[in-house]
Parts: sequence; C-alpha cells; structure tokens
Amino acid sequence: QQPVQSPQAVILREGEDAVINCSSSKALYSVHWYRQKHGEAPVFLMILLKGGEQKGHDKISASFNEKKQQSSLYLTASQLSYSGTYFCGTASMGNFNKFYFGSGTKLNVKP
Amino acid sequence: DAGVIQSPRHEVTEMGQEVTLRCKPISGHDYLFWYRQTMMRGLELLIYFNNNVPIDDSGMPEDRFSAKMPNASFSTLKIQPSEPRDSAVYFCASSLGQGSSPLHFGNGTRLTVT
Repeated sequence: QQPVQSPQAVILREGEDAVINCSSSKALYSVHWYRQKHGEAPVFLMILLKGGEQKGHDKISASFNEKKQQSSLYLTASQLSYSGTYFCGTASMGNFNKFYFGSGTKLNVKP
Repeated sequence: DAGVIQSPRHEVTEMGQEVTLRCKPISGHDYLFWYRQTMMRGLELLIYFNNNVPIDDSGMPEDRFSAKMPNASFSTLKIQPSEPRDSAVYFCASSLGQGSSPLHFGNGTRLTVT
C-alpha cells in the first residue's frame, strides 16, 4: 500500500533539474505531492487525479501516467528554497480517503 | 484561517506515563488524520476520522494507543502507558476529503519518552 519513492536523496547545484518518482503496484485514485522543511510540517504542492495528467506551477510540475500507477515530480532550475524532503501521498481506488506516504526524497540544493 | 492547531509542540515524559496529544482541525474539514513520523518508518497513518467517526484505525500500533474525536473541532491521541519506542513526531492533518483535497498538516508534536 505504501508507494515506492525514488531516489532517496538528491544533491543539486542551483539551476540544475531533478526528477522524483513515485510508483504503486496498483492503479491509484490520486497522488499528492508535499514538501517538508526540517522541523516543519509537510506542505501541499499539488494533486493529480487523472491518468495522463500533467500539472505544474512555476518551475515545479508533476505527471501521472495513463495507468495511474506512477507519478513524477519535476523540479527545474532549482533554487535554494527547494531544499527539503519531498513526499508523495497516494490514495487507492478502493479507499480514496486513506493516504499512504512514500519514504521521501531528501533534496539538497547548494549554491 | 488559523490552520490545523496541535498541542503541545513538545512533550517529554517518562516511560509508563500517559500522554495526550491534541488537535484542532480547520473549520469545515470533514476528515481528520493522525500520522506518526520517524526516521525509520517515515510518515505512518495511525487513524482517520470522517465527521467525527473513526473510519480506519488499522495503523494504530497497539492497544496502548487510542484516539477520539468528540466533536468537529477537537481530537485527541492518547498513549497509555508510553514507551521509549513511541518517541516520534505526531502530526494531525485535516481535509475536505474525497481524495481530491489536500491534507493540511498541523505543526506536529515532538514526543520524547525517556
């Protein structure tokens, strides 16, 4: 039930790009993406509901594949403020209100 | 909008003591979730409520853990008796539900059991 998230950690220089992946063995109802700064609560980034959907704002975007089993988060031209741990949260078709979170991807953007 | 409010922010207690964590969800949100976060296990869903009714408590680790939601604006998570392995950050989150609404997290309670 817990989605598989990869990679576990990424180190970037400012301006570089990163991709974080989240996958499930079964089709999902929705995927949520959150970012958590050290010592703070997770903060919502975006939700994907439809297969084939792509969504984004500014330089952070995400996709949901047609089978609704995989989502990717794209961080382009990274900024120092992007540093933190990124989590995907998934809800299954059978219970779309029960969210499981991936293990997280720790992103460190350096000057 | 004050957001989800949790108290206390930090709790240090001795093994065997009772611990009560509190949560006030965002007004109008029908769903309330309790999560536990540790380095080893990440964010674990403990229990969630819909309209004050517990829907799924399969994530509650043991009978030592209990949660209640006596009304739409208040929930508690109780651990009795507490053990060192319960040390973690406990988050409460609320949402409008339906799987398409984001979870709004409180700032968490950092629990340390010595």
